[in-house]
Amino acid sequence: DIQMTQSPSTLSASVGDRVTITCRASQSISSWLAWYQQKPGTAPKLLIYRASSLESGVPSRFSGSGSGTQFTLTISSLQPDDFATYYCQQYNSYSPITFGQGTRLEIK
Amino acid sequence: EVQLVQSGAEVKKPGESLKISCKGSGYTFTNYWIAWVRQMPGKGLEWMGIIYPGDSDTRYSPSFQGQVTISADKSISTAYLQWSSLKASDAAMYYCARGSGCSSGCFMDYWGQGTLVTVSS
Repeated sequence: DIQMTQSPSTLSASVGDRVTITCRASQSISSWLAWYQQKPGTAPKLLIYRASSLESGVPSRFSGSGSGTQFTLTISSLQPDDFATYYCQQYNSYSPITFGQGTRLEIK
Repeated sequence: EVQLVQSGAEVKKPGESLKISCKGSGYTFTNYWIAWVRQMPGKGLEWMGIIYPGDSDTRYSPSFQGQVTISADKSISTAYLQWSSLKASDAAMYYCARGSGCSSGCFMDYWGQGTLVTVSS
């Protein structure tokens, strides 16, 4: 299995801050990486696919970068609606598709 | 509008069987994979497996192979996740999601609302 490791596990930040979440793959996954946002009691929402492509309708303050084994999700200026849990997911292989453990972004 | 609508919450006893569903609409159901994802209480997302309704090609995570069965009925645009004998450890929220950008894997661009499965004696 390809292991996905996110850091940090929890991040405290304020509205207006620039924040970065990192995701590392245990082996190269090229750019086959997606990022999701999940709020309590709701289904995950796709933010970024293919490492840096912004899903339609997602605000431009979200951006993704990286390739190979190191990836980042950046929120340029945190908004109140952004406090949630974020997951990375590799789709380099079905055997199996794997998620990171999640990063909880909370209000400082 | 693409929608995935899942069946309602279930309360079952250990040892019972269960089949939950996910109905797609607003797109050509047979042209996209459907994945199932488990989320145990307070935990992260776990990919269980995926099916291509067009030809019923199915892939399972090794962690779930033999524990569940994924199927689809393309005539009614519905995918299923089933258990033959539930365990207490199967209690979780289960999401279906549409696979997109699929080559050797997929990301999930649309998600169902989730089906909560409770297993208790």
